[in-house]
Amino acid sequence: ILNVEQSPQSLHVQEGDSTNFTCSFPSSNFYALHWYRWETAKSPEALFVMTLNGDEKKKGRISATLNTKEGYSYLYIKGSQPEDSATYLCASVFYGQNFVFGPGTRLSVLP
Amino acid sequence: ETGVTQTPRHLVMGMTNKKSLKCEQHLGHNAMYWYKQSAKKPLELMFVYSLEERVENNSVPSRFSPECPNSSHLFLHLHTLQPEDSALYLCASSQFRGPYNEQFFGPGTRLTVL
Repeated sequence: ILNVEQSPQSLHVQEGDSTNFTCSFPSSNFYALHWYRWETAKSPEALFVMTLNGDEKKKGRISATLNTKEGYSYLYIKGSQPEDSATYLCASVFYGQNFVFGPGTRLSVLP
Repeated sequence: ETGVTQTPRHLVMGMTNKKSLKCEQHLGHNAMYWYKQSAKKPLELMFVYSLEERVENNSVPSRFSPECPNSSHLFLHLHTLQPEDSALYLCASSQFRGPYNEQFFGPGTRLTVL
C-alpha cells in the first residue's frame, strides 16, 4: 500500500503571515505530484503538476517545490489572505497511473 | 454549464434502496473517475473509465456499480448499501488517463445510508 502523508493536519495563521506545509511520498516509481486546493462546499481545484526533481512552480502568492529523491514537496503561501483558507491536498502518481491522495492540510487564515 | 457537475448533491437512503449518482463533464475529456471520501480519510479511488471502458476497479464491493454510457456521463448505481458507505462521493475527469493530466472535480454527492 502506497501512503502519501501531509503535515501539519491543520494550521491557523494570521492574515499577512507566510506559511508552508509538506507532502511526503515514497520516492520509488514516482511519476508526478499534484497539488489541489479544496474550499469548503466547492470542488477541489488543481494548483500544480510537478514531475522533475527540483521543480519549482508558482501561481501568484502560492509556490511549490519538489524533491523526488527524498520524497517530499513543499507548498508555500506568501502573505496569507482569508480567501486562502481551504484544505490543500497533494496526490502522487506512482508506477501505475492512479492518483494516491494525502489526507490534506486544513489552512485557516484569520483576519 | 461548465466543468464537472454532479447530482444529487445530497442523498439519504435506506439499506434496501436502490439509487444512482450522476456525473457529467462538459470539458471534452476522455477519462472519468469515481472517488470516495469517508470521514477523516483521504480521497480513495473507486473506479476509472478511459474512453468509456472501465480500466480500474479498486477492490470496490459489488453493491457499487459504475456505468459510463458515453465520454461525458458517468453513473454510480447503489444498492443494498451499508451505513459505513456513508461518505462524500466525488467524480472527476481528465483529458486523458495518465500521471501528468490534472483531474477536474465535481462538487460531490454527500451520501447518508440509514
